[in-house]
Amino acid sequence: NAGVMQNPRHLVRRRGQEARLRCSPMKGHSHVYWYRQLPEEGLKFMVYLQKENIIDESGMPKERFSAEFPKEGPSILRIQQVVRGDSAAYFCASSPGGAGYGYTFGSGTRLTVV
Amino acid sequence: TQLLEQSPQFLSIQEGENLTVYCNSSSVFSSLQWYRQEPGEGPVLLVTVVTGGEVKKLKRLTFQFGDARKDSSLHITAAQPGDTGLYLCAGASMAHGSGNTGKLIFGQGTTLQVKP
Repeated sequence: NAGVMQNPRHLVRRRGQEARLRCSPMKGHSHVYWYRQLPEEGLKFMVYLQKENIIDESGMPKERFSAEFPKEGPSILRIQQVVRGDSAAYFCASSPGGAGYGYTFGSGTRLTVV
Repeated sequence: TQLLEQSPQFLSIQEGENLTVYCNSSSVFSSLQWYRQEPGEGPVLLVTVVTGGEVKKLKRLTFQFGDARKDSSLHITAAQPGDTGLYLCAGASMAHGSGNTGKLIFGQGTTLQVKP
């Protein structure tokens, strides 16, 4: 009964490269959320998706960032042309319904841009 | 914009002491959740409170949701080194009506260190 699986755990990218972060939600969960966390800060909402739909992307930067949750396969958070300021821990969470059910988080992907 | 303010931000205490962490907002939430996060890992859900005035207990942890559903507190009795970690409160928005709204708004967290 696997939980939320994120990969890779650590990702190093040079400035200007693309970063792809993957998230497989918990079995039976159809709601996926992406959050970003900087050191000694709380979690900042980025995007909320259900299968094939973006429900709320109010926390996503307007440029370079995109997210998808296809009918088959994991959810992907894609960052194009990464900059040093993108370095952070990115967490994916899933729930069986909305936020009121509580989230199950993955272990995160730590992105370092050099 | 809905915000959750947690206090204190940092807390260092001796084993056996009691402590309370506060989570406050000017906004009303349909539910409020508490998570605990250890270094290098994702947050883990501790509890969800839904009803104004609700109190829930989890062993030595007591969680309370304010009557007006704008604030919450976490009280730990006789803290142990294993309680060390980052404690996060999170509110489910009322913007889309009660119950199953979309995103959680997180406070900035309280870092707790319990010394043996």
